[in-house]
Amino acid sequence: DAGVTQSPTHLIKTRGQQVTLRCSPKSGHDTVSWYQQALGQGPQFIFQYYEEEERQRGNFPDRFSGHQFPNYSSELNVNALLLGDSALYLCASSAGVQGYSNQPQHFGDGTRLSIL
Amino acid sequence: RKEVEQDPGPFNVPEGATVAFNCTYSNSASQSFFWYRQDCRKEPKLLMSVYSSGNEDGRFTAQLNRASQYISLLIRDSKLSDSATYLCAVTDPYSSASKIIFGSGTRLSIRP
Repeated sequence: DAGVTQSPTHLIKTRGQQVTLRCSPKSGHDTVSWYQQALGQGPQFIFQYYEEEERQRGNFPDRFSGHQFPNYSSELNVNALLLGDSALYLCASSAGVQGYSNQPQHFGDGTRLSIL
Repeated sequence: RKEVEQDPGPFNVPEGATVAFNCTYSNSASQSFFWYRQDCRKEPKLLMSVYSSGNEDGRFTAQLNRASQYISLLIRDSKLSDSATYLCAVTDPYSSASKIIFGSGTRLSIRP
């Protein structure tokens, strides 16, 4: 049973470029959350997708956008990349958005994005 | 004040020692608490959930103190393989989703 899978593993971009990161949730999961983890910091919530819609968003600018497909996989898009966008981008999946949830998040391996 | 605060460390202790980490959270309405372990350049992995009554998993013990709004993690008989960053995490009580708020992590280094 495959867990959460992310691609690519590593990516190098330059300032001003655009990037798309991909995530496939664990089998049976229909909700995908994205986090950004800068060096020396804990993961920061970017947004969550459920039923192909953005259900909640963290404190990130509109340059960060996403999408969820009918098969529950998800993409994170970042436009006009800045040096400060260099980070590990993590995807987590869970089963459903049922109001309050007390379940922990299980993460994929992440995509390490470096901006030059 | 940060929503979740941890001592960044690093904690440098000899093998076999007992080490304890604390984590404080700001929102008294938070309901669920976790400890994650993160190895260098890897993703965070769930170490254990933290329950009100406290819970133990082998050499690891987690405690929750709601009155003082802190969570603790105790590692007994530490091993070299315990060297990692330990992240404290709390669910956002105002989130309609399973959003988790993380601390910045505490680095632990076990020396032979």
